[in-house]
Amino acid sequence: EAQVTQNPRYLITVTGKKLTVTCSQNMNHEYMSWYRQDPGLGLRQIYYSMNVEVTDKGDVPEGYKVSRKEKRNFPLILESPSPNQTSLYFCASSNQGFEKLFFGSGTQLSVL
Amino acid sequence: AQSVTQLGSHVSVSEGALVLLRCNYSSSVPPYLFWYVQYPNQGLQLLLKYTSAATLVKGINGFEAEFKKSETSFHLTKPSAHMSDAAEYFCAVSRSNFGNEKLTFGTGTRLTIIP
Repeated sequence: EAQVTQNPRYLITVTGKKLTVTCSQNMNHEYMSWYRQDPGLGLRQIYYSMNVEVTDKGDVPEGYKVSRKEKRNFPLILESPSPNQTSLYFCASSNQGFEKLFFGSGTQLSVL
Repeated sequence: AQSVTQLGSHVSVSEGALVLLRCNYSSSVPPYLFWYVQYPNQGLQLLLKYTSAATLVKGINGFEAEFKKSETSFHLTKPSAHMSDAAEYFCAVSRSNFGNEKLTFGTGTRLTIIP
C-alpha cells in the first residue's frame, strides 16, 4: 500500500530536549516536505526536499532541521524545542511537478 | 508572492443541501489551484486540482470547482451534502512554473453537515 509513515503519532516533551520526528515513504517519490498546522493559520511549510541531499527552507524554518540522506526518509529535527513549536506536524511526498501530495497521518507535538 | 483566502472558517449546511466553500487567490503569475480535504485525525487528501486545462474541474466524492480568472476565485461546490462530507477543507495555490515545492495553503474551512 502506498503510504507516508510518520512516527511518533503523539509526542510530549520539555523545552530544550532534542527530538526527531521520522517520515518515510514507499512510493519512490523525489519530493518530500514538512508542514505544521496551527488553528487559524492553516498549513505552513517548514522545509522541503527535491531529492537526496537537496533541501530548502519553506516559510517557517526557524528552529527546525532536516536531512535527506536516503530517498525514502526525511526526518524533522528539533534541536532545542520551545513551547511555540507545539503544533500538529505533517510530512508529505509526491513525484516532481503537480502530481498530488500524499500526506502522513500527522504528529501532534506538545512542548512543555 | 502568492496567497489564498478562504472565506468562512466554519460552514454548516443541511444534509442534501448545496455545499459552497469559497476560495480567492492572489498570484502574480498564472496559478495552479488545489482543494484538499482533511478528515478527523488524518492527513490531507487531494480533492481536485486546476492546472490551466478546463476551468471547471471535477474531483472525487462529487465535488467540483470552477476557476474564474476575472474574479480570482476557485470556489468548491457539491450539489447535495452527505454526512460523510464533514471535514476540514483547504484551498492551495502554486505558481505554474513550480511544482509542489511552492504550494501555499489557506487557513481552512471546517464543514459541518446538519442531519
